Amino acid sequence: AQSVTQLDSHVSVSEGTPVLLRCNYSSSYSPSLFWYVQHPNKGLQLLLKYTSAATLVKGINGFEAEFKKSETSFHLTKPSAHMSDAAEYFCVVSEGQAGTALIFGKGTTLSVSS
Amino acid sequence: GAVVSQHPSWVICKSGTSVKIECRSLDFQATTMFWYRQFPKKSLMLMATSNEGSKATYEQGVEKDKFLINHASLTLSTLTVTSAHPEDSSFYICSASPAGAGGARDTQYFGPGTRLTVL
Repeated sequence: AQSVTQLDSHVSVSEGTPVLLRCNYSSSYSPSLFWYVQHPNKGLQLLLKYTSAATLVKGINGFEAEFKKSETSFHLTKPSAHMSDAAEYFCVVSEGQAGTALIFGKGTTLSVSS
Repeated sequence: GAVVSQHPSWVICKSGTSVKIECRSLDFQATTMFWYRQFPKKSLMLMATSNEGSKATYEQGVEKDKFLINHASLTLSTLTVTSAHPEDSSFYICSASPAGAGGARDTQYFGPGTRLTVL
């Protein structure tokens, strides 16, 4: 069975400092891994996706994530936080096949202070 | 591209009534759509997988007679909450996977969600 664990329910950073949102996964298959962001009263937006190509995945808005099979991790990073990055972030795993469901982590709330 | 819409965005209804929520893929065809439920400050819980032209597959614990799903075309899926009760109040989100070959098949595009409040 697949699962994801987001290790922090809440992360607070200052504007201009690095962001690290941690995610560990469990999967019996070669998984597809995603990070989605949800801003208040907005729909979920895909930040980036890993599907067995390059292990370092670059996404939108300066975010990137590195797939580490040995550590079963897929942490999300950004070198410099912006106020607009404050949102809920979800780490997601799927079996990578067409029509399969996504399994969501519990989410990490990112707060950015000025 | 890859826009999914939901209608309505917010609905308030009386207990005992039924509410229909629409999910549309605006610029792509989707053989598979998914319905999720999100409680306040909680993660998304998959309710069911909707396949065009066939019956939906419901997750364990989800009442199929209460949450009716219809996927009549490649761009439209509907979720009907029948005989709604206050405990059904929640944020319902749909997603759609593009049809056809390619790496995008396992990528889902999400609608903005529908907030249901049952009085």
